[in-house]
Amino acid sequence: QTVVTQEPSFSVSPGGTVTLTCGLTSGSVSPSYSPTWYQQTPGQAPRTLIYGTSTRSSGVPDRFSGSIFGNKAALTITGAQADDESDYYCVLHMGSGIYVFGTGTKVTVL
Amino acid sequence: QVQLQESGPGLVKPSETLSLTCTVSGGSMSSYYWSWIRQSPGKGLEWMGHVFYSGSTTYNPSLKSRVTISVDTSKNQFSLKLSSVTAADTAVYYCARFTYDSSGYYLQYWGQGTLVTVSS
Repeated sequence: QTVVTQEPSFSVSPGGTVTLTCGLTSGSVSPSYSPTWYQQTPGQAPRTLIYGTSTRSSGVPDRFSGSIFGNKAALTITGAQADDESDYYCVLHMGSGIYVFGTGTKVTVL
Repeated sequence: QVQLQESGPGLVKPSETLSLTCTVSGGSMSSYYWSWIRQSPGKGLEWMGHVFYSGSTTYNPSLKSRVTISVDTSKNQFSLKLSSVTAADTAVYYCARFTYDSSGYYLQYWGQGTLVTVSS
């Protein structure tokens, strides 16, 4: 069974930069997987940050950017702010309409 | 503004069938994919499956034998049924709508989520 892996946690200083990654236990992530990134704060539904690898969803600040970094998808937060403290999930399209969520990364801003 | 609202029992007994409905307002169901996602307490998100407005479905292979998603566009609703539930199916269940543009698909609109507990 394919597992989409993410770092369990990251800490970043206010104003700092952090890059979260999204990989596969077997193989490399490419744009064909159409990586999508969601942000979730406690008690809330997720919201889309990035889709199609690097397209920002409407209303998302440009400090969030998506890319392919080596063999993984990546979400970079440049100039982190206190309200970026959240859980972040990537999703990959595995083909045939099947989607797999990553394990999630908890980002702390301090 | 499209809004989604989950409804259904908050408590289901083991071995029974979990049934939830998502009511869509503020927009048409036509031409969209409608999805169910769940999140066990303190855990990550799991895509369960989706239904196209026409009724065609795609399911998570790990749940395929137990899950059924259906749509009723006349009522602006789609539904989830999960059979033979166990405590492991205790989760917050979200309904959501895929949006598509030239960059790809993403889950743009989400319900607030509803907690379903499996317990006798």
